[in-house]
Amino acid sequence: SQQGEEDPQALSIQEGENATMNCSYKTSINNLQWYRQNSGRGLVHLILIRSNEREKHSGRLRVTLDTSKKSSSLLITASRAADTASYFCATDGRDSSYKLIFGSGTRLLVRP
Amino acid sequence: SQTIHQWPATLVQPVGSPLSLECTVEGTSNPNLYWYRQAAGRGLQLLFYSIGIDQISSEVPQNLSASRPQDRQFILSSKKLLLSDSGFYLCAWSWRVGMNTEAFFGQGTRLTVV
Repeated sequence: SQQGEEDPQALSIQEGENATMNCSYKTSINNLQWYRQNSGRGLVHLILIRSNEREKHSGRLRVTLDTSKKSSSLLITASRAADTASYFCATDGRDSSYKLIFGSGTRLLVRP
Repeated sequence: SQTIHQWPATLVQPVGSPLSLECTVEGTSNPNLYWYRQAAGRGLQLLFYSIGIDQISSEVPQNLSASRPQDRQFILSSKKLLLSDSGFYLCAWSWRVGMNTEAFFGQGTRLTVV
């Protein structure tokens, strides 16, 4: 079953613009993670935010978490063509922290 | 350092044939192990996860099974493949201890059932 749902499903922006992707989930969580997937490859972990954190930064990435709304956002600032990829949020569950459930992903295209 | 190996990278199998995909992790002990399937342009569906040998949980009833014959080896199998089994299969591992841990993915196996 899908725990996280991202929106938009697809996003096309110009290089240099910011890209914002959102994720909503259904159950209580211990943490929420964001991953990136280049076409036809495995996923690479980008950032993890714990349930008691509200915002986290890593380079050009900024993640927010609102547990009251069960939602998170990933902001990529000053996007580059190399940022073109699919981005997924993933959550574990308080009842079963070993399960890592992924959303459907946002396909980001950064036009040079 | 830890590494994860998943093979083969691509596989074309006829309907009704058996399947065996293997995943091994090096450089760590007692990892959590996962098998995911990804349909074209879609998200990841969790198929199986394992927190130890002989501790495998199935998430979705289907034509597949998983086994963990060794601590760092995770195998995905099918006795008879269906057309609907086509997809991109991803193996992943995470640290056993602690709850706030990331997953590390293999490069995936693209399975086409014909």
